[in-house]
Amino acid sequence: SAVISQKPSRDICQRGTSLTIQCQVDSQVTMMFWYRQQPGQSLTLIATANQGSEATYESGFVIDKFPISRPNLTFSTLTVSNMSPEDSSIYLCSAHAGPNYGYTFGSGTRLTVV
Amino acid sequence: GESVGLHLPTLSVQEGDNSIINCAYSNSASDYFIWYKQESGKGPQFIIDIRSNMDKRQGQRVTVLLNKTVKHLSLQIAATQPGDSAVYFCAGLNSGYSTLTFGKGTMLLVSP
Repeated sequence: SAVISQKPSRDICQRGTSLTIQCQVDSQVTMMFWYRQQPGQSLTLIATANQGSEATYESGFVIDKFPISRPNLTFSTLTVSNMSPEDSSIYLCSAHAGPNYGYTFGSGTRLTVV
Repeated sequence: GESVGLHLPTLSVQEGDNSIINCAYSNSASDYFIWYKQESGKGPQFIIDIRSNMDKRQGQRVTVLLNKTVKHLSLQIAATQPGDSAVYFCAGLNSGYSTLTFGKGTMLLVSP
């Protein structure tokens, strides 16, 4: 299965600033996803990153707050914009190579907003 | 949309015991399920999966059971070891949509 490298692994940011998280997959994958995992909770899907087109956002998440890029089949970025302490969370990248392949996750980015 | 939830938030067992983690799902259109293990500071790791045309699947020390009638699945871990201590999530998929929905998670604590 695909191996995902995600960076940074953690960061502490000032409120009002933005952070861009990078996700690199070691092979071409059909689909890439971004999740948020708040402390002690489960994973919530933010959006599906579409190669060459705008991301598909889940209810409660908007492009202005979480702009996503996916320039090719192995790379995606998630930006957390105009951060507030409520954005403190773990952000996880996931990839799916297609039928008969699993859904793989990166190690996550632990974000603290102060 | 679908919701997937768990019955027990924390499960404490002794080393060597068998562990059973349960999960309920709401969307009868879900046709693929995955169990993940998440250790502290890491992303979810695949354990085992099952498709809706099966009711049981076995891996190494793990078994997943699926009961479509009551929309329930479980993860059984045999001879639980301290290294099994982690949070376990079930996730469901309607293959027509290709996005996973995660349950709340159960923390498994294994005492030596």
